[in-house]
Amino acid sequence: GAVVSQHPSWVICKSGTSVKIECRSLDFQATTMFWYRQFPKQSLMLMATSNEGSKATYEQGVEKDKFLINHASLTLSTLTVTSAHPEDSSFYICSARGGLAGEGTDTQYFGPGTRLTVL
Amino acid sequence: SQELEQSPQSLIVQEGKNLTINCTSSKTLYGLYWYKQKYGEGLIFLMMLQKGGEEKSHEKITAKLDEKKQQSSLHITASQPSHAGIYLCGARRGNQGGKLIFGQGTELSVKP
Repeated sequence: GAVVSQHPSWVICKSGTSVKIECRSLDFQATTMFWYRQFPKQSLMLMATSNEGSKATYEQGVEKDKFLINHASLTLSTLTVTSAHPEDSSFYICSARGGLAGEGTDTQYFGPGTRLTVL
Repeated sequence: SQELEQSPQSLIVQEGKNLTINCTSSKTLYGLYWYKQKYGEGLIFLMMLQKGGEEKSHEKITAKLDEKKQQSSLHITASQPSHAGIYLCGARRGNQGGKLIFGQGTELSVKP
């Protein structure tokens, strides 16, 4: 299947610092990528939709100035958590829309996730 | 209540037994996706269903989308420990840029 990578897989940072998470589609081009957040034992919560070459669309309640999203190319989207605080600690997962023939371009393939811990 | 309800929330079965997980939507489904997740890891794509009545199988896992397109079931035959994990259904709603709404997940444990 189509492969999506995330980097880093885990990160620990001090309160007040910024953290950048990368999401890459390795073997296909993705015009749309999505960023999710997941709390322990809970489902995924969509944060924003990232479109290549345009501004991201944020879900209601998600601070766009805190969670900066850049989709510079068809294979890379980045999420920057600015001035991180302990309540931002979470599991962040990206997905890329598109992929292999036969499954259509509407399938979302997910990265392995990034665990962020803010001290 | 959730827009997408999964049942049961958790399930423990003996190895070799069959099981079914349901996903019910309060709205018409334009695409229904099944994923599997190991705790602390990403989601693995299993299957996508779009047409009412559609049924797909992959190894011992079969997923169906009902005719009225508001419910899907995932059936595992002769379960194995490797099937353990969290199963999530995701729904695509009309023209919303492809974004998915997820159910709360079903945690499956398979006892050897």
